[in-house]
Formats: sequence, structure tokens, C-alpha cells
Amino acid sequence: GAVVSQHPSRVICKSGTSVKIECRSLDFQATTMFWYRQFPKQSLMLMATSNEGSKATYEQGVEKDKFLINHASLTLSTLTVTSAHPEDSSFYICSAPVDRYTEAFFGQGTRLTVV
Amino acid sequence: AQTVTQSQPEMSVQEAETVTLSCTYDTSESDYYLFWYKQPPSRQMILVIRQEAYKQQNATENRFSVNFQKAAKSFSLKISDSQLGDAAMYFCALGSQGNLIFGKGTKLSVKP
Repeated sequence: GAVVSQHPSRVICKSGTSVKIECRSLDFQATTMFWYRQFPKQSLMLMATSNEGSKATYEQGVEKDKFLINHASLTLSTLTVTSAHPEDSSFYICSAPVDRYTEAFFGQGTRLTVV
Repeated sequence: AQTVTQSQPEMSVQEAETVTLSCTYDTSESDYYLFWYKQPPSRQMILVIRQEAYKQQNATENRFSVNFQKAAKSFSLKISDSQLGDAAMYFCALGSQGNLIFGKGTKLSVKP
């Protein structure tokens, strides 16, 4: 099946710094990728839709200036958490569909801890 | 708005027995897909089974099968011959064009 690689798997950063998370589709081109956030013992909540070559679409309540998304190529989307605070600590997961008729393939997730 | 509801926060099953996880959904889309994902402690999302809404036949994948009731907007997952490795969080998801809406999940425990 299709492979989506997400890095890093874990990151600890100091409050006020920025962290970049990468999501790569390894064996297919992904014009669209999705970024989710998952709090402990909760479900996945869609944060934004990343579109290659255009601006990301953010879900209501998600701060665009805090969670910067760039989809510069057909195989790479990045999520940058800017000026991170402890409340940004969470599990972030990306996914990418091969096409609209298949399921989305997920990255391994990134555990972000802001201290 | 599309919604997915899983009314069982936790379920437990004896090894080798059968368990059914419930899911209901709501959507105004005519073209959509339904999924069950498994999330073990590693937190990697693993696709368990997939159902196209336009297909009447229930999907099956080895020990996993679904009961898809389109009119009732119900999509339950049956796990037969449960194994210890089936213990995980299970998420029901509704999707179209790759975007997925997830239910809150059901934590499945398997007792030896």
C-alpha cells in the first residue's frame, strides 16, 4: 500500500520556539494532505487541509498564524508550530489520500512536547 | 455537517469470542466512504476495513466484517475470533475526497 512518512516522531521544544513537522508521500503524489491533532485519549480532529501550490484551508478555531502549513511539492507538506506554548503539546498526524476514492494513508504521527 | 458517533467508549471481549463495535453517522453527501481504523499504543493509524456507500454488500476482511445499514446510517464492525493483538482504540470514520471525520473511538480490551 501507499506509504506516508512523518518526521520527527517525537520532539521536545522550549516555549516560544518553532517546530517543523514534515509529511512525505513516498510512492505517490499527494496534491492534498490533511493535518490532524489528537489529544490524549481523544479522537483525531482535523486541523487543516494542505493543498499543493495553494494556501491551506484551516478548520474553524485553528489559528492560521500559529500553525503554518506549506505544501511546496507533490510529495511534501510541512506543519510549523510557531511560538509554541505548553498547550500546543499534542500528537499531530498527517494523512494523504492516493485519490478521492481510497482511504487516506497516515503518517506515523509526531508527539510534540513544549516545555 | 457530517458527524460520526461511537456510543461505546470501552468494550471488552474474551479471546476467541466475537465482539461488535457500533457506529452511526450523518451526512448529506451521496458519494462517501466509511472506514474502521485501529490505533494501537504505537498510535499508528491502521486501516481495518473500508465500505463504499454505493455498495450494498457488506465488506469483509478475514476476521473483520461490517454491518452497513445505509438507510439507518449505521456502520458496525464485527471482530470474530478475537485475538490479543486486536486490543486497541477503534475509530469509525466517514470520508469523501480523502478527508475523514472520526468518531470519538472505542477502546477494545481483549481478555486472555
